[in-house]
Amino acid sequence: GAVVSQHPSWVICKSGTSVKIECRSLDFQATTMFWYRQFPKQSLMLMATSNEGSKATYEQGVEKDKFLINHASLTLSTLTVTSAHPEDSSFYICSARDTMGDLYSNQPQHFGDGTRLSIL
Amino acid sequence: AQTVTQSQPEMSVQEAETVTLSCTYDTSENNYYLFWYKQPPSRQMILVIRQEAYKQQNATENRFSVNFQKAAKSFSLKISDSQLGDTAMYFCAFMKHGGGSRLTFGEGTQLTVNP
Repeated sequence: GAVVSQHPSWVICKSGTSVKIECRSLDFQATTMFWYRQFPKQSLMLMATSNEGSKATYEQGVEKDKFLINHASLTLSTLTVTSAHPEDSSFYICSARDTMGDLYSNQPQHFGDGTRLSIL
Repeated sequence: AQTVTQSQPEMSVQEAETVTLSCTYDTSENNYYLFWYKQPPSRQMILVIRQEAYKQQNATENRFSVNFQKAAKSFSLKISDSQLGDTAMYFCAFMKHGGGSRLTFGEGTQLTVNP
């Protein structure tokens, strides 16, 4: 149980285009989802926290207009990288918190397998 | 704010031997959780072990165990009988109780198990 599906796993696109990454909780409802960015050999950097039905909370230094997050349902959150440039190339990971929360779950977050984004 | 520090960027161990990864953290919270995550080359995040701060007993999961020293704010991971499949990046993480499942990660330690 507690599977998070992230799609696509790898995307290559031209500079200036927009790219959408989907994060779905397959067998549980997720009121909260997290989006991370990870550079090679570095830690996960939290970009934003999305809550179903409300605006995402972005971390300091993350451009809201560049990284659009939508959490329209209890099972789906999307990250859109707008007008992508080569410096946006990175590994993006989503995770989901199930509605039982951290008190009752052995895992506070269930992670997707990540998306490797390459901007040419 | 919480901080998590892993002072060993890279470590290596011979297959079947034991290795210990270090982690220290700083917090003013009294009720929290600590985790070790493994990220193999596939880059999937895998939870290895979890420790509740209110528990004095150290958590154990098969070959993985922790040494939790609350007063020292130290949370090390011991891997016994290391296997080639243990080669991965290991992240220590902190979560405060009632914090909405928000995790604070350390910088990570790249562990290589040599045959």
